[in-house]
Amino acid sequence: GAVVSQHPSRVICKSGTSVKIECRSLDFQATTMFWYRQFPKQSLMLMATSNEGSKATYEQGVEKDKFLINHASLTLSTLTVTSAHPEDSSFYICSGSAGDTQYFGPGTRLTVL
Amino acid sequence: QKEVEQDPGPLSVPEGAIVSLNCTYSNSAFQYFMWYRQYSRKGPELLMYTYSSGNKEDGRFTAQVDKSSKYISLFIRDSQPSDSATYLCAARIQGAQKLVFGQGTRLTINP
Repeated sequence: GAVVSQHPSRVICKSGTSVKIECRSLDFQATTMFWYRQFPKQSLMLMATSNEGSKATYEQGVEKDKFLINHASLTLSTLTVTSAHPEDSSFYICSGSAGDTQYFGPGTRLTVL
Repeated sequence: QKEVEQDPGPLSVPEGAIVSLNCTYSNSAFQYFMWYRQYSRKGPELLMYTYSSGNKEDGRFTAQVDKSSKYISLFIRDSQPSDSATYLCAARIQGAQKLVFGQGTRLTINP
């Protein structure tokens, strides 16, 4: 299947700082990438959909000024959590759309102190 | 009512048993159905993908979709401890890219 990578896999930061997470499709071109958030023992919550070269579409309740998404190329999308706070601590997962389905990255665990 | 409902479990079965995981959905426009496996602290891995009604088999895994009853199933034969994970069903409508996920079922296979 198609491979998606994420970097970093784990990040710890201080409250008020910004954190950037990269998502790359390694062996396919993803015109659309998705960013999810997952709390312990819960399902995936879609945060936003990003199409290469255009602005991301955010789900209701997701602050677009806090979670900045850039999809500058067909293989790279980035999520920047700005002015992070402890409540932003979570598992962030990206996926790339290939054909009729999505392939997911390994996730990034963010801990905000 | 959620669009895709899935019993969160947990479900615990002995090694070698046949496992049946199920989801129901409410949106009759769903045409594509997927099962993902997620190990702890990892991203979901696509296991099975089916279009419309019918069965699909891949090794020890069989996916079934019954659109008349809006029911999705995943069967695991000869279950192994390595199958212990959370299994997520997902669906989407034709022309849309967004997936709608079930809550996930935590499965444990006991040696």
